[in-house]
Formats: sequence, structure tokens, C-alpha cells
Amino acid sequence: DAGVIQSPRHEVTEMGQEVTLRCKPISGHNSLFWYRQTMMRGLELLIYFNNNVPIDDSGMPEDRFSAKMPNASFSTLKIQPSEPRDSAVYFCASSLRLAGYEQFFGPGTRLTVL
Amino acid sequence: RKEVEQDPGPFNVPEGATVAFNCTYSNSASQSFFWYRQDCRKEPKLLMSVYSSGNEDGRFTAQLNRASQYISLLIRDSKLSDSATYLCVVNGLGGGADGLTFGKGTHLIIQP
Repeated sequence: DAGVIQSPRHEVTEMGQEVTLRCKPISGHNSLFWYRQTMMRGLELLIYFNNNVPIDDSGMPEDRFSAKMPNASFSTLKIQPSEPRDSAVYFCASSLRLAGYEQFFGPGTRLTVL
Repeated sequence: RKEVEQDPGPFNVPEGATVAFNCTYSNSASQSFFWYRQDCRKEPKLLMSVYSSGNEDGRFTAQLNRASQYISLLIRDSKLSDSATYLCVVNGLGGGADGLTFGKGTHLIIQP
């Protein structure tokens, strides 16, 4: 079975542009998580979904960030407008259930905002 | 006080040696604990869960000390391939949230 799939793997954009990151979780997993990783702040949880419903978005840095999960096999994280400080690696992870289960991470999207 | 705290290292250890590092957490109500491993420019992957009674997986041993609120990871007979960043992970520190909180990681370098 394929793991978590993320696209694009790399994104370079200019400040002010809209950025959309995509994630396909492992089939059968009910929970999906979006993380951001930087050297300074480490790995931060942005938002997570259970059965396609957003449960906690308190980690989303500001209104420029939004995430959706229209169905069990697809999620997006959108940044509009993007800023240089958004540059980071964005990981999507999925797990079988919400609590206490191993999270499987995708390969990440390396975002650079110029 | 940080929610999950780790010594960032790097720990430089000769091949074959034993190395241990700890992680402290702030929320005494935390229930689930894990060690993840992250290789350079790769995604984190689960190394092992940490159970109350402690658990061992080959050369790796994880311990939980609830009274002092820390977990530990011990690596015996270290190998070059153990070089990586080890992330301590604790469940929902946001008042019951089920998302996991990651420490910033401990960087381990095994030297030949």
C-alpha cells in the first residue's frame, strides 16, 4: 500500500502568491494532520481532522492559512497570501484513529517564499 | 516552560557505545508517549511507543517516569546507521487535544 502522498515536493513562489499543498492519506486512516517544520520552531501541529472534520485548528498561525478535507482521501493546506516567513517544510500525516496511534508522515513539501 | 523539552545535542558517540537521552514534558495528564526518528531531509518515522512499564526493541529501550515527567531512550551497541534526530512525542498538551506535540529533537552522530 502506498504511504502518505504529498504534492508538490518542492514549491518556490513569490511573496503574495497563493500556495496550495496537497495530501492523500493512507487508505483506511481516519485522522489526518498537517505539520510545519522549521529549524527555529521544530515540528508544529497546524491542524488535524478526524473523519474529514476539522477537530483543532489552534495551531494555524493566522487567517492566511486554511485547510480543507473534502473527502477521506484528500486534503489541502492553502496559504493566501504567502509571506517569506512561511518558508518551511510542511508535512501531512495520517493515522488509523485519532488518539494513541502511530502517525505516518508523508515526504513533505519544501516551501520557499521569496 | 516548554511543553516538550529535549537536549538538542549534537551527541557525538563512537560506534559500539551506549547512548541515552531524556525528554521532559510539562503536562502531567499526558497519556501517550513515543520516540520518532528523523533522518536528514526526510520525514519523521515512529521508532517506538513508550509504555508505562518500559519497553525494549532490540538495541533500543524506552522508559517512562511519570513522577518526574520524563521519558528516556537508550541505544546499545550504537551503529553508524543510528545517526539521526530523535524526536520525543507526547500526546495532547492542549487541554485534551489528541494531536501529538513534538520536541525539537536530539541530534545523534555515531562516529566510526
